[in-house]
Amino acid sequence: QKEVEQDPGPLSVPEGAIVSLNCTYSNSAFQYFMWYRQYSRKGPELLMYTYSSGNKEDGRFTAQVDKSSKYISLFIRDSQPSDSATYLCAMSADSGGSNYKLTFGKGTLLTVNP
Amino acid sequence: DADVTQTPRNRITKTGKRIMLECSQTKGHDRMYWYRQDPGLGLRLIYYSFDVKDINKGEISDGYSVSRQAQAKFSLSLESAIPNQTALYFCATSDLRTGGAQETQYFGPGTRLLVL
Repeated sequence: QKEVEQDPGPLSVPEGAIVSLNCTYSNSAFQYFMWYRQYSRKGPELLMYTYSSGNKEDGRFTAQVDKSSKYISLFIRDSQPSDSATYLCAMSADSGGSNYKLTFGKGTLLTVNP
Repeated sequence: DADVTQTPRNRITKTGKRIMLECSQTKGHDRMYWYRQDPGLGLRLIYYSFDVKDINKGEISDGYSVSRQAQAKFSLSLESAIPNQTALYFCATSDLRTGGAQETQYFGPGTRLLVL
């Protein structure tokens, strides 16, 4: 079993839909959970970050972490064509007081159709 | 100007050739990373460096070497390129954060490498 599993999609939704993206993981030491967004021919950029369990909201984006189920989610409300991108989940554990070592999911390709 | 730049952006080379990918950053970060991205495999860490004198292997370092010429520059070399090194290569930087604070990695735009 891979440390981080993410459905690669592709996922295609109409504009205005609610999008749900998910990852599961097996390493119970993971404490830092991130979602990166990667546009075509660009590098990944950090979208959301959550430390340990709980929810975090930023505008139309909500990140959820359920450590008991080893499951994280990213919700996008009122999705826009500009949200079309690959979304990568990433996780890390505390390593010598730092959390630099990221383990990435494979990424989910999302297309939002006008 | 971009904070993390990579050169070249695209490169085609032949099997057995030596090739160097370069990364420069203006963010003032001490930590720099090289990743490769392959379809179906996601991003995997090749090498990382916490400062000029501290270089470490990542999960897939075989066939690669690196050089940290300065705080702002980190180069990746393929000494003898092979076709399965065809991939998208990313450089990233971060600044040390501890105690639960997020250590965000900032990625460059990537280098698309094709080995024939």
